[in-house]
Amino acid sequence: SSELTQDPAVSVALGQTVRITCQGNSLRNYFANWYQQKPGQAPVLVFYGKNNRPSGIPDRISGSTSGNTASLTITEAQAEDEADYYCSSRDISGNHGLFGGGTKLTVL
Amino acid sequence: QVQLVQSGAEVGTPGASVKLSCKASGYSFTTYYMHWLRQAPGQGLEWMGIINPSGGSTKYAQKFQGRVTMTRNTSTSTVYMELNSLTSDDTAVYYCARDILVVSGTLSYWGQGTLVTVSS
Repeated sequence: SSELTQDPAVSVALGQTVRITCQGNSLRNYFANWYQQKPGQAPVLVFYGKNNRPSGIPDRISGSTSGNTASLTITEAQAEDEADYYCSSRDISGNHGLFGGGTKLTVL
Repeated sequence: QVQLVQSGAEVGTPGASVKLSCKASGYSFTTYYMHWLRQAPGQGLEWMGIINPSGGSTKYAQKFQGRVTMTRNTSTSTVYMELNSLTSDDTAVYYCARDILVVSGTLSYWGQGTLVTVSS
């Protein structure tokens, strides 16, 4: 099926490490993209492809893929990391975009 | 710098149509594909479709096939998204977003969003 599944919510203590996951069959063929969205703002690309971070994104944020699961890891979590995170990829056909349902990250 | 500036908020009635615009600047308009997405209140992002600004070819998510039309005007570097037969479920913020490569599915630049409210 063409779906990407994310946990609805995850929390992390300030300064600790958190992993946000995304599962889907299309991830066996296509790398995931990760977007951060804060309330009232447009999403921002924070990680993409095998190992790419847009300029201005801290290297505390990284991504990886294993099988049908992509992960976004945030080390030394900061208050500013509190946001919704969405994964995306192409669908199985490669012709259409696909988004996960999003994960709300709370920094305690 | 790359900028995507979207048109202002719209209010539509059920059954009507809405046409949104997204004006691009700061790069070669015809080089990069443009995507449209939406986000209903309190919900996640939903991919609607993609347009090649060079030739005008499009691909739409199956959910919107027959109800959405994406077009472009190369002289003004603007892409448009028209959605027909509106229902209350179409109430959402609509985004245009530019691909990071010609076409990869990675969205590197986003417009500010346009709120569409469907109400009788």
